[in-house]
Amino acid sequence: DAGVTQSPTHLIKTRGQHVTLRCSPISGHKSVSWYQQVLGQGPQFIFQYYEKEERGRGNFPDRFSARQFPNYSSELNVNALLLGDSALYLCASSLGGALETQYFGPGTRLLVL
Amino acid sequence: DQQVKQNSPSLSVQEGRISILNCDYTNSMFDYFLWYKKYPAEGPTFLISISSIKDKNEDGRFTVFLNKSAKHLSLHIVPSQPGDSAVYFCAASAGGWGSQGNLIFGKGTKLSVKP
Repeated sequence: DAGVTQSPTHLIKTRGQHVTLRCSPISGHKSVSWYQQVLGQGPQFIFQYYEKEERGRGNFPDRFSARQFPNYSSELNVNALLLGDSALYLCASSLGGALETQYFGPGTRLLVL
Repeated sequence: DQQVKQNSPSLSVQEGRISILNCDYTNSMFDYFLWYKKYPAEGPTFLISISSIKDKNEDGRFTVFLNKSAKHLSLHIVPSQPGDSAVYFCAASAGGWGSQGNLIFGKGTKLSVKP
């Protein structure tokens, strides 16, 4: 069975640019969450989507946005990139019910120069 | 303010011995706890979880213990194997249905298992 997939695997951008990261959940999973992991820290929650609706948002600026499509795949968009946005961006999927485990993709490593 | 704390950045254990990784939390609303393992250049891999109605959950070589009064959980790996060498993250969530999208992670503990 295919796990969570993310694209691209690596990305280099310059300050002020915009980036779009993509995630495909495990088949049958209806919930997708996005996390940012900077070096030396644990992943930090950005967004959760369930059935195409935003269910949760972490403490990130409005430059970060996301959406979920009818096939449950998701995009994370970041505008006006800052150097501090350099991180590993992780996508996780789950069935979306109570106490459901989240399964993570390999991540997209973003470097902002 | 860190709600989930892993106070040991690293742990070194001999192959075949027990590895004990610890995690403390501050939010009494957390009701679901998970451990993930992460290798370099990969996403976190789910290991084991426990809900707040239990105090122990076991899966093969992995056992998680939850002490709610102390707001403490631990992961025991017995016996430890060199392939267990990775960074281990403790994570927690609160609020029941639908809230598992918002996991709060600790900073991780790097486990090294020496042959």
